[in-house]
Amino acid sequence: DAGVTQSPTHLIKTRGQQVTLRCSPKSGHDTVSWYQQALGQGPQFIFQYYEEEERQRGNFPDRFSGHQFPNYSSELNVNALLLGDSALYLCASSYGTGLTLYEQYFGPGTRLTVT
Amino acid sequence: KQEVTQIPAALSVPEGENLVLNCSFTDSAIYNLQWFRQDPGKGLTSLLLIQSSQREQTSGRLNASLDKSSGRSTLYIAASQPGDSATYLCAVNTGGFKTIFGAGTRLFVKA
Repeated sequence: DAGVTQSPTHLIKTRGQQVTLRCSPKSGHDTVSWYQQALGQGPQFIFQYYEEEERQRGNFPDRFSGHQFPNYSSELNVNALLLGDSALYLCASSYGTGLTLYEQYFGPGTRLTVT
Repeated sequence: KQEVTQIPAALSVPEGENLVLNCSFTDSAIYNLQWFRQDPGKGLTSLLLIQSSQREQTSGRLNASLDKSSGRSTLYIAASQPGDSATYLCAVNTGGFKTIFGAGTRLFVKA
């Protein structure tokens, strides 16, 4: 079992550009959540996908969008990059959603640097 | 609005000490609480998950307790080792698909 995988590992972009990050969930998991972690802080919830739909969203602007594919993998897209978008982006997978009591498994993250 | 606070923010101890990390949350209506370990620049490794109906969970030298009524959880690490040096994060699941994290406790265990 490969666990949760993310690509790329590192990424450097320029302000105003667009970026796409990718996540493959742990085998058997159908729910993917994305988090942004700034240096020295805890992860902040961006949104969660289940059955190819966004189920809930944190306090992030519409520049942040996502997608889930039929095989449960997911993408995070960020448009019009700002310097403040520089962070570690974490993907977490789990099984079930709603009121289901689930345990999240995290990937290694993608380090995004915006210059 | 759920808020999660971790104290202390940083901790340095000699090898072999038993230590306690604290996590508090403002809304007791949680579904579960999860403790994670994070090494510098890396992803999160799940340590323990406590369901709302449980009081504690144990794994090896780790023991986590949960007191929903007081909005507190503690992570107890026995006989600390240099390899335990990392940031420890607690996260609460309030239902509605959302998980709220604390800012973490940075632990350094000196050999």
